[in-house]
Amino acid sequence: GAGVSQSPSNKVTEKGKDVELRCDPISGHTALYWYRQRLGQGLEFLIYFQGNSAPDKSGLPSDRFSAERTGESVSTLTIQRTQQEDSAVYLCASSLPPRIETQYFGPGTRLLVL
Amino acid sequence: SQQGEEDPQALSIQEGENATMNCSYKTSINNLQWYRQNSGRGLVHLILIRSNEREKHSGRLRVTLDTSKKSSSLLITASRAADTASYFCATDDNNAGNMLTFGGGTRLMVKP
Repeated sequence: GAGVSQSPSNKVTEKGKDVELRCDPISGHTALYWYRQRLGQGLEFLIYFQGNSAPDKSGLPSDRFSAERTGESVSTLTIQRTQQEDSAVYLCASSLPPRIETQYFGPGTRLLVL
Repeated sequence: SQQGEEDPQALSIQEGENATMNCSYKTSINNLQWYRQNSGRGLVHLILIRSNEREKHSGRLRVTLDTSKKSSSLLITASRAADTASYFCATDDNNAGNMLTFGGGTRLMVKP
């Protein structure tokens, strides 16, 4: 079946603009994660959604970052007033409990803030 | 912050040789996983080892876990040029709840 998809693949924006990144998880996967990966580094956890539970936002770096998920489907990650340090690849992953430990990743969105 | 630290950061070997990557972590864990990433894009799950396991095999991959030393190793035997990628360990942290904590990765290059 289809894997996790993300759009856009690449996004170039100007400092101060807002951007919205989209993630379509694997159908039926109730858990959804957003990560940030700076160039040459590992992944930083941003936010986690599980079903209808309150999301775990503990990884969001500032109040400029927010994310929403409609039910158990699409999620959007919004970065307001982008800064150059927001430049990174933003990766989305989904998983199916009870095997929640294995995550399936999308191809990512490469964000460049000029 | 990242818990895992991979060693080495970069590794270059000839095709046919074995590649060993190490990962250290700081807190107690439920399990440790290894992922592969090509060209800075999506990650692919390779193998998971639980905290009560010491060794696991999958094809040409062999993973060990030493919870007393809080370390794991990934061995790729008989490497191929197609194994060229970045490899990350990720821990399911008892205290962290729901997310994986990733290390900085090892960039492996296998020369044909």
